[in-house]
Amino acid sequence: NAGVTQTPKFQVLKTGQSMTLQCAQDMNHNSMYWYRQDPGMGLRLIYYSASEGTTDKGEVPNGYNVSRLNKREFSLRLESAAPSQTSVYFCASSAGLAKQETQYFGPGTRLLVL
Amino acid sequence: AQSVTQPDIHITVSEGASLELRCNYSYGATPYLFWYVQSPGQGLQLLLKYFSGDTLVQGIKGFEAEFKRSQSSFNLRKPSVHWSDAAEYFCAVGGVGGYQKVTFGTGTKLQVIP
Repeated sequence: NAGVTQTPKFQVLKTGQSMTLQCAQDMNHNSMYWYRQDPGMGLRLIYYSASEGTTDKGEVPNGYNVSRLNKREFSLRLESAAPSQTSVYFCASSAGLAKQETQYFGPGTRLLVL
Repeated sequence: AQSVTQPDIHITVSEGASLELRCNYSYGATPYLFWYVQSPGQGLQLLLKYFSGDTLVQGIKGFEAEFKRSQSSFNLRKPSVHWSDAAEYFCAVGGVGGYQKVTFGTGTKLQVIP
C-alpha cells in the first residue's frame, strides 16, 4: 500500500498562475483533507471531504477550490496564485471524520509563489 | 474556542537522555488530544491519542503521554531518545465534531546530539 500520495513534490509558480495539487489514497477511506503548513503556525485546514461527493470549507479556504474526483482522489486548485499561498500543502485521509479513526498524511507538496 | 500551545519551539537532547515535550490546551470539556511526529520531508504520523479512560497513553516508537486535566497539559515523554527521533512534534486538540474541528499546535523541533 502506498498510503496517501501527493503530486507534485515541489512547484514554483508566478503570481497569477494556476495549478492543481493532486492527492490519492489507496486505503478505501471516506474522508480526505487538505492542510497548509506555514512556519510557526502549525497545520491549518483548507478544505475537507467527509465522503465521496461532498466537500466543505475549513479554516482557510479563500483562494482555493477542491474537487473530490472519486473515492480515491481529492485535488486542490489554486486559480490565481498569490505569494501568500507559498506554503507546504499536506493531504490526509481517514476512514471517517470521527476522531477515533486515524488520520494518515501524505508527504506534502512544497509550493513557492513568486 | 479551543487552542493548543507548545511552548518550546526547539529542544536539544543528547542521545540516550530522557525527553519531555510540553503541550498545553484550552478546551471547556474533556478534549481529544493527539501527538504527531513529522520527520524531515515527510507528512505527519500519529504517535498516540487520548480520548478518555487511562490518563497515561502509550504510543508507537516508545513514546507515552500523560493527560493532566488540572494542568490542562498533555506532555509527551520518552525515557531514552535515539538519534532517529530527531523530528518535529505536533500536539493537537479536538472537541466536539470530527477531524475538521481539530486544532494543531505550532510544533517543537527536536534535535538529538550524539
